[in-house]
Amino acid sequence: NAGVMQNPRHLVRRRGQEARLRCSPMKGHSHVYWYRQLPEEGLKFMVYLQKENIIDESGMPKERFSAEFPKEGPSILRIQQVVRGDSAAYFCASSPDSHSYNEQFFGPGTRLTVL
Amino acid sequence: DQQVKQNSPSLSVQEGRISILNCDYTNSMFDYFLWYKKYPAEGPTFLISISSIKDKNEDGRFTVFLNKSAKHLSLHIVPSQPGDSAVYFCAAKRSGGQNFVFGPGTRLSVLP
Repeated sequence: NAGVMQNPRHLVRRRGQEARLRCSPMKGHSHVYWYRQLPEEGLKFMVYLQKENIIDESGMPKERFSAEFPKEGPSILRIQQVVRGDSAAYFCASSPDSHSYNEQFFGPGTRLTVL
Repeated sequence: DQQVKQNSPSLSVQEGRISILNCDYTNSMFDYFLWYKKYPAEGPTFLISISSIKDKNEDGRFTVFLNKSAKHLSLHIVPSQPGDSAVYFCAAKRSGGQNFVFGPGTRLSVLP
């Protein structure tokens, strides 16, 4: 049973380019969460999605960032016109439902470096 | 405003001794708490959790204590092993909420 998959593991972009980060949740999980970890900091919640719906995007910057979780395929976190401050590790987590008090299962992360 | 605080960025412990990692929170609406462990270049992995209706939860070498009046929880690892060396994150979830609020982490080094 594969865990949460994220790709790419490492992504290098120049300022102004677009970054696309992909997350495939664990089998049977329909809830996806994106977190960002800046150097020397904890994980900060960005957005929570269910299939085809954004449930909570309170942690996501209003500009340049967007997320989706289509009916088919992985969840995508898109960052347009990247800036150096976007350099961070982006983690995706999944859970079977929102009311479960079980833990969220995390992927290995995508490390984004903006040159 | 940090709602979940881990005031010790790092901790070193001798193998076989007890490791105590501390976490404080400010939001009284939090009712579920977890500890995650993270190795370099990997995602966090779940370690142990506790609901606010309890004050202690034990799983093998790991015990989490919750003091609601002090808004404080701690993770005890005994005996500590070199493989426990990692960054430990405290996380909290409020009643009815879906996402976790993470602390900044404590880097534990268990020395052989």
